[in-house]
Amino acid sequence: SQQGEEDPQALSIQEGENATMNCSYKTSINNLQWYRQNSGRGLVHLILIRSNEREKHSGRLRVTLDTSKKSSSLLITASRAADTASYFCATDSGGYQKVTFGTGTKLQVIP
Amino acid sequence: DVKVTQSSRYLVKRTGEKVFLECVQDMDHENMFWYRQDPGLGLRLIYFSYDVKMKEKGDIPEGYSVSREKKERFSLILESASTNQTSMYLCASSFRFPVTGGDEQYFGPGTRLTVT
Repeated sequence: SQQGEEDPQALSIQEGENATMNCSYKTSINNLQWYRQNSGRGLVHLILIRSNEREKHSGRLRVTLDTSKKSSSLLITASRAADTASYFCATDSGGYQKVTFGTGTKLQVIP
Repeated sequence: DVKVTQSSRYLVKRTGEKVFLECVQDMDHENMFWYRQDPGLGLRLIYFSYDVKMKEKGDIPEGYSVSREKKERFSLILESASTNQTSMYLCASSFRFPVTGGDEQYFGPGTRLTVT
């Protein structure tokens, strides 16, 4: 079953603009992770935010987590053409570290 | 750098064939995972393993089996391939923490399997 659902499904922006994508989930989590996938390749881990954290930064990435709303957002600032990829949120609800991935947001950054 | 390798990038098999997909990681990770990825459905977990010889069913285990004889190697087996198993297969690994909390997963490049 899909735990995380990303929104929007697709996003097209100009280079230099900010990109925001959202993730909603259904059950309580220990942490939430964001991954990037370039076309036809494996996923690359971007950032992990734990359930007791509200915001986290990594370079041009900013992630927020609102456990009361069961939602997270990923902000990419000053986007570049190289940021063109699909972005997935993944929720970890504990147990044997089984994470559940959403269906992804496809981001296109136009040069 | 962590490296997760998969035996093939592209594979074409016939219906009814037995198919082996192999995954090897070099970071001494306890956890290993097999996912399939289909358009509009995201990643779906087929099986995972948290230790040698241990395995747990994921969300869609039907038609698949797995083998983990060594810590670094996790194999996915399609006993009798069918056309609905045409998909991208992704392997991943991660550390296991004694307290639940998880950690990032490291992914291989994927195997695009076509069953005709």
